[in-house]
Amino acid sequence: DADVTQTPRNRITKTGKRIMLECSQTKGHDRMYWYRQDPGLGLRLIYYSFDVKDINKGEISDGYSVSRQAQAKFSLSLESAIPNQTALYFCATSDSGFPAYNEQFFGPGTRLTVL
Amino acid sequence: AQSVTQLDSQVPVFEEAPVELRCNYSSSVSVYLFWYVQYPNQGLQLLLKYLSGSTLVKGINGFEAEFNKSQTSFHLRKPSVHISDTAEYFCAALGGGGSEKLVFGKGTKLTVNP
Repeated sequence: DADVTQTPRNRITKTGKRIMLECSQTKGHDRMYWYRQDPGLGLRLIYYSFDVKDINKGEISDGYSVSRQAQAKFSLSLESAIPNQTALYFCATSDSGFPAYNEQFFGPGTRLTVL
Repeated sequence: AQSVTQLDSQVPVFEEAPVELRCNYSSSVSVYLFWYVQYPNQGLQLLLKYLSGSTLVKGINGFEAEFNKSQTSFHLRKPSVHISDTAEYFCAALGGGGSEKLVFGKGTKLTVNP
């Protein structure tokens, strides 16, 4: 079984709809991250959480919110989806402490299309 | 701004040829450097990392990278590529100022042709 899972893997939705992307991990890591990937732009950090009570904005958090329901679960919500949020979304986890937190483990991604 | 620059967006090569994927970092990021690989339809996985010590770092699948502080570079190399190396490769660095977040480059798509 995969250590980091994301659901759904693909989603097509319409402008204005609320969407939730879910991430679960069995690695026992404290740290979790949400990224979006756009062609030619690499990965950009949306939100990150260093433990269950810690939530931080990344470089592109506008239009997104997150919830850390447990150590193993980190959800990303688009409150009112817009077409420029069409992208590939990745969840990642890492351990705490140096140097372990340098290595991030990625889920398989969710491809979101907003029409 | 924190910056990791990958100089080539696409690199086509023939099978068994050598390849170098170039990465430069700015002084605003740390010198903790990484290469991640993304195979088609998959998430990223760590290929190799430089934290300290020897400037030549060996990773999985025969890849290696050399940290060059004077040139602020961390280029990835493989002496002989296979079709299965076709993937997108991302250079990354820990952000400067004690940041514990990764800063990614925009990626280099390596295509290995028969």
